[in-house]
Amino acid sequence: EVQLLESGGGLVQPGGSLRVSCTASGFTFSSNAMAWVRQAPGKGLEWVAAIPSTSRDIKYADSVRGRFTVSRDNSRNMMYLQMTNLRAEDTAIYYCAKDIWGWTFDVWGQGTVVTVS
Amino acid sequence: EIVLTQSPATQSLSPGERATLSCRASQSVGSNLAWYQQKPGQAPRLLIYSASQRATGVPARFSGSGSGTDFTLTISSLEPEDFALYYCQQHSKWPLTFGGGTNVEIK
Repeated sequence: EVQLLESGGGLVQPGGSLRVSCTASGFTFSSNAMAWVRQAPGKGLEWVAAIPSTSRDIKYADSVRGRFTVSRDNSRNMMYLQMTNLRAEDTAIYYCAKDIWGWTFDVWGQGTVVTVS
Repeated sequence: EIVLTQSPATQSLSPGERATLSCRASQSVGSNLAWYQQKPGQAPRLLIYSASQRATGVPARFSGSGSGTDFTLTISSLEPEDFALYYCQQHSKWPLTFGGGTNVEIK
């Protein structure tokens, strides 16, 4: 079964740091681009970061560029999001998602909650 | 940034009725548009990609159409499990953007 599982969310103070992880299984992780998408409480979806299979040409949303870093370890089937200088507006559910074609996402994790307060 | 405007914000319908959801882009995205369904407490689910291609396992009552700036998601006959939030997403240009969503609720 194709599956993504996020972990590492929690409560952090403004200005603090946190790293969330995504563990993939059931597909060839090293062949797929991946992304992080977040959803603030009661709000819509917001794309955060995208990382190709080779980790080249990584993209970030303007709202997180310079504060967040996405990376992946293909040998461990894992993707990470290192978040620094966190703000209240970063409070959200963070989903990892698998690209099916051209940055559309066919598999999503259940999400991990990050609260900045 | 490409802005996606979804309408209506809420659509109140009965089971068996047809739902027509609109997504308009602030500039052309070609056919680079996807639709997702999200239910409370769940992650989004891909329904349609490339404007009109159904994702694996998606029932045939879901169809997508459009190109350029105007797109439509149609649910031909609503089933009880179809009452949910629907989002469009463009993947033509960075940054990737989502629409604000349409809530399909039971009338």
